[in-house]
Amino acid sequence: GAGVSQSPRYKVAKRGQDVALRCDPISGHVSLFWYQQALGQGPEFLTYFQNEAQLDKSGLPSDRFFAERPEGSVSTLKIQRTQQEDSAVYLCASSPLAPGNSPLHFGNGTRLTVT
Amino acid sequence: RKEVEQDPGPFNVPEGATVAFNCTYSNSASQSFFWYRQDCRKEPKLLMSVYSSGNEDGRFTAQLNRASQYISLLIRDSKLSDSATYLCVVNHPANSGGSNYKLTFGKGTLLTVNP
Repeated sequence: GAGVSQSPRYKVAKRGQDVALRCDPISGHVSLFWYQQALGQGPEFLTYFQNEAQLDKSGLPSDRFFAERPEGSVSTLKIQRTQQEDSAVYLCASSPLAPGNSPLHFGNGTRLTVT
Repeated sequence: RKEVEQDPGPFNVPEGATVAFNCTYSNSASQSFFWYRQDCRKEPKLLMSVYSSGNEDGRFTAQLNRASQYISLLIRDSKLSDSATYLCVVNHPANSGGSNYKLTFGKGTLLTVNP
């Protein structure tokens, strides 16, 4: 079946521009996660949804970052007024159960470059 | 102290060698543990879960030591195709409290297996 799909694959934004990154999780997966991965680093947790509820947003680095999952399926990560330090790969992952009870299925990621 | 810390690496080993990675975690209430593998410019993929009694999958052996709060991954008879970054992942209570847990990744250890 279809895996986790993210779009766009690559995004180049000028500093100050707003961007929106989309994640289509595996159908029926309850949990959805966003991670940020800088070059040479492990994925850093941003936020977690259980269905449409955002249960943890403690990893969002600033109030310029906003995520939503209004109908409990597709999720969007929005970054306002992008800065150079936002350049990273943004990974979305979904799992059928609560965190840790089933493996994460990752999308290919969106590589964001802020110039 | 970081939630999850890994051997800094990189590891360069010849084909056929045995190599071991360690990972420590700070929260004694951590619930579940995993090793993920990430190939260059690809998304992380689950390699194996880590069970309390230790578990083996072919050439790969994972162990958990709750008393010392570390997990390990042993790769025997390494192959060229084992070259990748290995990420330790820990499921631990979220700082936001309640019953929420979150999955935190280590920075990863780069393994290169040479012919």
